[in-house]
Amino acid sequence: GAVVSQHPSRVICKSGTSVKIECRSLDFQATTMFWYRQFPKQSLMLMATSNEGSKATYEQGVEKDKFLINHASLTLSTLTVTSAHPEDSSFYICSLGADTQYFGPGTRLTVL
Amino acid sequence: GENVEQHPSTLSVQEGDSAVIKCTYSDSASNYFPWYKQELGKRPQLIIDIRSNVGEKKDQRIAVTLNKTAKHFSLHITETQPEDSAVYFCAAVKGSYIPTFGRGTSLIVHP
Repeated sequence: GAVVSQHPSRVICKSGTSVKIECRSLDFQATTMFWYRQFPKQSLMLMATSNEGSKATYEQGVEKDKFLINHASLTLSTLTVTSAHPEDSSFYICSLGADTQYFGPGTRLTVL
Repeated sequence: GENVEQHPSTLSVQEGDSAVIKCTYSDSASNYFPWYKQELGKRPQLIIDIRSNVGEKKDQRIAVTLNKTAKHFSLHITETQPEDSAVYFCAAVKGSYIPTFGRGTSLIVHP
């Protein structure tokens, strides 16, 4: 299967700052990547589909101006949480794949 | 769109017992059903999957069954071990569409 990395693995930031999370495909060219958010003891909530070379597709209720997604190459997608607030604290995971999904290790974001 | 229901939300068993997690789906066009295991603080990883042209698949202590008519599929873990403790997610996939995940089952295996 595909090997997916994420950076950083955890980040703590102050309220109002922006945080960028990178998702890299190490051995697979992905035209599409997915971004999920996961609260403790809850399921994976799809936030958006990242499309290489075009705009991301956001799920209903996800603010596109709050969660900026860029997919500039076939191996890299980034999620930027802008003007982060404590309620944005969560575990963010990316994935790629056709039917089987290969997940990144996740990024634990804590906003103080 | 597709809707996947997963039960139970929590399952507690004694080591050596069997564990069964059940999922139902709503879209009869879904044709691929993967199961993922997520250990605490780690990424979900595929443990077994089944396609709609198959009724059952087994891999050592893990098996998955699919009933297309009833639109439900189940994960069976036999001879459970403490390292099986994790959150398990089922998913339903239709063609090249994005998977729809169940809400997850927290499996606790007591030594």
